[in-house]
Amino acid sequence: GQNIDQPTEMTATEGAIVQINCTYQTSGFNGLFWYQQHAGEAPTFLSYNVLDGLEEKGRFSSFLSRSKGYSYLLLKELQMKDSASYLCAVRDTNAGKSTFGDGTTLTVKP
Amino acid sequence: DTEVTQTPKHLVMGMTNKKSLKCEQHMGHRAMYWYKQKAKKPPELMFVYSYEKLSINESVPSRFSPECPNSSLLNLHLHALQPEDSALYLCASSQSSVNEQFFGPGTRLTVL
Repeated sequence: GQNIDQPTEMTATEGAIVQINCTYQTSGFNGLFWYQQHAGEAPTFLSYNVLDGLEEKGRFSSFLSRSKGYSYLLLKELQMKDSASYLCAVRDTNAGKSTFGDGTTLTVKP
Repeated sequence: DTEVTQTPKHLVMGMTNKKSLKCEQHMGHRAMYWYKQKAKKPPELMFVYSYEKLSINESVPSRFSPECPNSSLLNLHLHALQPEDSALYLCASSQSSVNEQFFGPGTRLTVL
């Protein structure tokens, strides 16, 4: 099975940088996804890591260390619209099966 | 067309009703998924179809019955549901079962 931990809530200021951590213990690992979900809406894909290291996509970056079972999502130049839940999802070696963490609710304040 | 559509947006049903949720994508994706999401909780995987064949069933009760009529369509047939089945039902698709998933807007289901 999968055990995924994320902080429940975080608060940051507009224009700042925030790092959302995700740790996991899994019986099988075949990649880690980050999704953003605004209240009342569907999740949208942000980033994907399968090898160790940093993936950068505009204001969003994601890092993975497989040996430590650790990932983070880095959001730069925060905007009010970044207030949302951020979900870490670990894909099992059984392709198609991804388990989501409980999500981190980020509130961006002026 | 780069989106996943779901109908209906909202559904209210009694415990003796039979209803169906529909999902459609025209991105040529070969994997499709059903998730259940309760308020303030993450999506929980229910079913995965890969190349129109059911590849994963996460021990979902038989009152939920998935169907994949073709590579663009995914249905979820509902029968004799319980009030605790009330939730947001999300459909997703991906190019294959190893790629990132694209989610539809969901159907908000209320079982009375």
